[in-house]
Amino acid sequence: DQQVKQNSPSLSVQEGRISILNCDYTNSMFDYFLWYKKYPAEGPTFLISISSIKDKNEDGRFTVFLNKSAKHLSLHIVPSQPGDSAVYFCAASVAGGTSYGKLTFGQGTILTVHP
Amino acid sequence: EAGVAQSPRYKIIEKRQSVAFWCNPISGHATLYWYQQILGQGPKLLIQFQNNGVVDDSQLPKDRFSAERLKGVDSTLKIQPAKLEDSAVYLCASSSLLNTEAFFGQGTRLTVV
Repeated sequence: DQQVKQNSPSLSVQEGRISILNCDYTNSMFDYFLWYKKYPAEGPTFLISISSIKDKNEDGRFTVFLNKSAKHLSLHIVPSQPGDSAVYFCAASVAGGTSYGKLTFGQGTILTVHP
Repeated sequence: EAGVAQSPRYKIIEKRQSVAFWCNPISGHATLYWYQQILGQGPKLLIQFQNNGVVDDSQLPKDRFSAERLKGVDSTLKIQPAKLEDSAVYLCASSSLLNTEAFFGQGTRLTVV
Protein backbone atom coordinates (compact mmCIF):
# COMPACT_ATOMS: atom_id res chain seq x y z
CA ASP A 1 0.00 0.00 0.00
CA GLN A 2 1.78 3.08 -1.32
CA GLN A 3 0.58 5.94 0.88
CA VAL A 4 2.72 8.55 -0.86
CA LYS A 5 3.03 8.44 -4.64
CA GLN A 6 5.15 10.28 -7.14
CA ASN A 7 3.76 9.15 -10.47
CA SER A 8 6.43 10.73 -12.67
CA PRO A 9 9.69 8.75 -12.48
CA SER A 10 11.54 11.48 -14.35
CA LEU A 11 11.30 15.07 -15.55
CA SER A 12 13.49 16.93 -18.03
CA VAL A 13 13.53 20.75 -18.08
CA GLN A 14 15.50 23.46 -19.81
CA GLU A 15 17.64 25.76 -17.68
CA GLY A 16 15.73 28.90 -16.67
CA ARG A 17 12.30 27.29 -17.06
CA ILE A 18 9.98 26.08 -14.31
CA SER A 19 10.19 22.56 -12.90
CA ILE A 20 7.00 21.15 -11.37
CA LEU A 21 7.19 17.93 -9.37
CA ASN A 22 3.99 16.32 -8.16
CA CYS A 23 3.06 14.11 -5.24
CA ASP A 24 -0.18 12.46 -4.07
CA TYR A 25 -0.98 10.91 -0.72
CA THR A 26 -3.79 8.72 0.57
CA ASN A 27 -3.46 8.80 4.35
CA SER A 28 -5.65 11.56 5.85
CA MET A 29 -3.61 11.46 9.07
CA PHE A 30 -0.62 13.05 7.36
CA ASP A 31 -0.40 16.71 8.27
CA TYR A 32 3.20 17.64 7.54
CA PHE A 33 4.86 17.34 4.16
CA LEU A 34 8.47 17.64 3.08
CA TRP A 35 10.60 17.57 -0.04
CA TYR A 36 14.06 16.06 0.06
CA LYS A 37 16.71 16.25 -2.64
CA LYS A 38 19.21 13.47 -3.22
CA TYR A 39 22.43 13.47 -5.23
CA PRO A 40 24.10 10.15 -6.17
CA ALA A 41 26.06 8.52 -3.33
CA GLU A 42 24.74 11.03 -0.81
CA GLY A 43 21.92 10.93 1.71
CA PRO A 44 18.70 12.90 1.20
CA THR A 45 18.91 16.56 2.18
CA PHE A 46 15.93 18.57 3.35
CA LEU A 47 14.67 21.15 0.88
CA ILE A 48 11.34 22.62 1.99
CA SER A 49 8.28 21.67 4.01
CA ILE A 50 4.67 22.65 4.54
CA SER A 51 2.17 22.16 7.32
CA SER A 52 -1.41 21.19 6.54
CA ILE A 53 -2.61 24.51 7.96
CA LYS A 54 -1.03 26.26 4.98
CA ASP A 55 -1.51 25.90 1.25
CA LYS A 56 1.75 27.47 0.15
CA ASN A 57 5.29 27.84 1.42
CA GLU A 58 8.06 29.64 -0.40
CA ASP A 59 11.83 29.61 0.04
CA GLY A 60 13.81 31.38 -2.63
CA ARG A 61 13.42 29.54 -5.92
CA PHE A 62 11.41 26.75 -4.29
CA THR A 63 7.69 26.83 -3.60
CA VAL A 64 5.54 24.01 -2.29
CA PHE A 65 1.78 24.01 -2.81
CA LEU A 66 -0.63 21.83 -0.84
CA ASN A 67 -4.18 20.94 -1.89
CA LYS A 68 -5.63 19.05 1.07
CA SER A 69 -8.96 18.27 -0.53
CA ALA A 70 -7.19 16.59 -3.44
CA LYS A 71 -4.47 15.12 -1.20
CA HIS A 72 -1.92 16.55 -3.61
CA LEU A 73 1.20 18.62 -3.29
CA SER A 74 3.65 20.01 -5.78
CA LEU A 75 7.11 21.52 -5.76
CA HIS A 76 7.87 24.39 -8.12
CA ILE A 77 11.44 25.37 -8.92
CA VAL A 78 11.82 28.70 -10.69
CA PRO A 79 14.13 29.28 -12.43
CA SER A 80 15.58 25.78 -12.78
CA GLN A 81 19.36 25.44 -12.75
CA PRO A 82 21.62 22.55 -13.85
CA GLY A 83 22.68 22.11 -10.21
CA ASP A 84 19.08 21.24 -9.37
CA SER A 85 19.48 17.95 -11.26
CA ALA A 86 18.89 15.28 -8.62
CA VAL A 87 16.28 12.85 -7.33
CA TYR A 88 13.46 14.59 -5.47
CA PHE A 89 11.50 12.74 -2.81
CA CYS A 90 8.18 13.78 -1.42
CA ALA A 91 7.63 12.69 2.19
CA ALA A 92 4.81 12.92 4.71
CA SER A 93 4.51 12.63 8.46
CA VAL A 94 2.20 13.25 11.37
CA ALA A 95 3.43 16.48 12.93
CA GLY A 96 4.63 16.88 16.47
CA GLY A 97 7.32 15.90 18.93
CA THR A 98 9.34 12.92 17.87
CA SER A 99 7.26 12.20 14.80
CA TYR A 100 8.68 14.74 12.37
CA GLY A 101 11.39 12.38 11.20
CA LYS A 102 9.09 9.39 10.97
CA LEU A 103 8.58 9.79 7.26
CA THR A 104 6.68 7.98 4.55
CA PHE A 105 8.41 8.60 1.24
CA GLY A 106 7.31 8.55 -2.36
CA GLN A 107 9.33 6.69 -4.98
CA GLY A 108 11.18 9.78 -6.14
CA THR A 109 11.35 11.81 -9.36
CA ILE A 110 14.61 12.22 -11.25
CA LEU A 111 14.92 15.84 -12.35
CA THR A 112 17.34 16.70 -15.14
CA VAL A 113 17.91 20.36 -15.95
CA HIS A 114 19.61 20.89 -19.31
CA PRO A 115 21.88 23.91 -19.87
CA GLU B 1 27.99 21.31 13.05
CA ALA B 2 28.96 17.76 12.06
CA GLY B 3 26.32 15.77 10.23
CA VAL B 4 25.13 12.21 10.68
CA ALA B 5 28.05 9.82 10.28
CA GLN B 6 27.66 6.29 8.94
CA SER B 7 30.08 3.47 8.28
CA PRO B 8 30.98 1.57 6.27
CA ARG B 9 30.03 3.33 3.03
CA TYR B 10 29.93 0.10 1.05
CA LYS B 11 29.68 -3.57 1.98
CA ILE B 12 29.49 -6.71 -0.12
CA ILE B 13 28.63 -10.00 1.57
CA GLU B 14 27.41 -13.43 0.59
CA LYS B 15 23.89 -14.52 1.43
CA ARG B 16 23.51 -16.09 4.87
CA GLN B 17 26.42 -14.03 6.23
CA SER B 18 25.91 -11.36 8.86
CA VAL B 19 26.65 -7.65 8.62
CA ALA B 20 26.50 -4.61 10.89
CA PHE B 21 26.18 -0.91 10.20
CA TRP B 22 27.11 1.92 12.50
CA CYS B 23 25.57 5.39 12.90
CA ASN B 24 26.58 8.44 14.92
CA PRO B 25 23.79 11.05 14.92
CA ILE B 26 24.13 14.81 15.13
CA SER B 27 25.21 15.81 18.62
CA GLY B 28 22.25 16.39 20.89
CA HIS B 29 19.70 14.69 18.66
CA ALA B 30 17.62 12.40 20.82
CA THR B 31 15.71 10.72 17.99
CA LEU B 32 17.43 8.32 15.60
CA TYR B 33 15.96 6.48 12.62
CA TRP B 34 17.12 3.67 10.34
CA TYR B 35 15.70 3.60 6.83
CA GLN B 36 16.10 1.04 4.04
CA GLN B 37 16.16 2.30 0.45
CA ILE B 38 15.86 -0.36 -2.24
CA LEU B 39 16.93 0.69 -5.73
CA GLY B 40 14.17 2.64 -7.49
CA GLN B 41 12.12 3.15 -4.33
CA GLY B 42 11.89 5.75 -1.62
CA PRO B 43 13.40 5.15 1.82
CA LYS B 44 11.32 3.00 4.15
CA LEU B 45 11.46 3.38 7.92
CA LEU B 46 12.80 0.32 9.75
CA ILE B 47 13.10 1.54 13.32
CA GLN B 48 12.88 4.71 15.41
CA PHE B 49 14.71 5.31 18.70
CA GLN B 50 14.04 8.00 21.26
CA ASN B 51 17.23 8.20 23.34
CA ASN B 52 17.98 4.51 23.97
CA GLY B 53 14.39 3.29 23.75
CA VAL B 54 12.56 1.91 20.72
CA VAL B 55 9.58 4.02 19.68
CA ASP B 56 8.56 2.14 16.55
CA ASP B 57 9.97 -1.07 15.06
CA SER B 58 6.81 -2.26 13.36
CA GLN B 59 8.48 -2.49 9.93
CA LEU B 60 11.69 -4.16 11.10
CA PRO B 61 11.95 -7.81 9.97
CA LYS B 62 12.80 -9.02 13.45
CA ASP B 63 13.63 -12.58 12.40
CA ARG B 64 16.85 -11.31 10.81
CA PHE B 65 17.24 -7.60 11.63
CA SER B 66 18.18 -6.13 14.98
CA ALA B 67 19.17 -2.66 16.13
CA GLU B 68 20.36 -1.09 19.32
CA ARG B 69 21.24 2.29 20.73
CA LEU B 70 22.65 1.35 24.11
CA LYS B 71 23.83 4.72 25.42
CA GLY B 72 21.34 6.87 23.57
CA VAL B 73 23.93 8.14 21.08
CA ASP B 74 25.49 5.74 18.53
CA SER B 75 23.42 3.00 16.98
CA THR B 76 24.12 -0.26 15.18
CA LEU B 77 21.87 -2.13 12.77
CA LYS B 78 22.57 -5.82 12.20
CA ILE B 79 21.35 -8.31 9.64
CA GLN B 80 21.79 -12.02 10.35
CA PRO B 81 21.52 -13.96 8.11
CA ALA B 82 21.41 -11.73 5.04
CA LYS B 83 19.23 -12.48 2.03
CA LEU B 84 19.59 -11.31 -1.55
CA GLU B 85 16.60 -8.99 -1.13
CA ASP B 86 18.40 -7.11 1.66
CA SER B 87 20.56 -5.43 -0.99
CA ALA B 88 19.81 -1.75 -0.46
CA VAL B 89 21.14 1.51 0.91
CA TYR B 90 20.71 1.75 4.68
CA LEU B 91 20.23 5.32 5.81
CA CYS B 92 20.51 6.65 9.31
CA ALA B 93 18.78 9.90 10.25
CA SER B 94 18.43 11.97 13.39
CA SER B 95 16.33 14.82 14.68
CA SER B 96 15.68 16.81 17.81
CA LEU B 97 12.52 18.28 19.29
CA LEU B 98 13.67 21.63 17.90
CA ASN B 99 13.58 20.32 14.33
CA THR B 100 10.67 19.73 12.02
CA GLU B 101 12.78 17.60 9.68
CA ALA B 102 15.20 14.71 9.90
CA PHE B 103 18.85 14.92 8.87
CA PHE B 104 20.26 11.98 6.92
CA GLY B 105 23.68 10.40 6.73
CA GLN B 106 25.29 9.33 3.45
CA GLY B 107 24.13 5.77 3.87
CA THR B 108 25.69 2.33 3.62
CA ARG B 109 25.23 0.52 0.33
CA LEU B 110 24.85 -3.21 0.97
CA THR B 111 25.15 -5.76 -1.79
CA VAL B 112 24.27 -9.36 -0.98
CA VAL B 113 25.54 -11.88 -3.55
